[in-house]
Amino acid sequence: GNSVTQMEGPVTLSEEAFLTINCTYTATGYPSLFWYVQYPGEGLQLLLKATKADDKGSNKGFEATYRKETTSFHLEKGSVQVSDSAVYFCALSPLLGAGGTSYGKLTFGQGTILTVHP
Amino acid sequence: DVKVTQSSRYLVKRTGEKVFLECVQDMDHENMFWYRQDPGLGLRLIYFSYDVKMKEKGDIPEGYSVSREKKERFSLILESASTNQTSMYLCASSPWGYDNYGYTFGSGTRLTVV
Repeated sequence: GNSVTQMEGPVTLSEEAFLTINCTYTATGYPSLFWYVQYPGEGLQLLLKATKADDKGSNKGFEATYRKETTSFHLEKGSVQVSDSAVYFCALSPLLGAGGTSYGKLTFGQGTILTVHP
Repeated sequence: DVKVTQSSRYLVKRTGEKVFLECVQDMDHENMFWYRQDPGLGLRLIYFSYDVKMKEKGDIPEGYSVSREKKERFSLILESASTNQTSMYLCASSPWGYDNYGYTFGSGTRLTVV
């Protein structure tokens, strides 16, 4: 079956530090990959996505590259801010039509709590 | 702005009660989903629906049922609430298609069963 593994958290950084949150996946075929962010007291928001190998998703200074050879989709940001403090979820969705009734169901990692201090 | 609206942010219910969690989306999306979120476990899929009156079990459907009588509304039902169903419940929707758009989530309902 499909699965997503994220690095253990929580992660605590100082403002302007470099951020990496590791994400690896197991899936058949060519899934789409996503990063979602959950700010305190809110639901999840789509942060970025990539739908094929070597694609780079980017948004709000965050980036992640779809690496099929290492089955990874690590999230990076060059300089974090206090406002980036949130929970980050990596997720995958199997390619629709690949077989079975996936209907674009997302499989999520366990989430990584990021805290950024001034 | 497109929205997924969950009817309650916080609920406290007693063991054995029948509980309804409501979710409404205004984007004309075909797919709707219910997840529960627990620390260290991420999000786990309870049920999803890809059309009116259609439903499929997710990974953890035991103790839950769902109803989708209209395209915009997807209800999660706890037939007899138990303390192990204390959790954050998240509703989401997505359009149908091969280009994966990702989900739009509601703000969540934090349910406490006492």
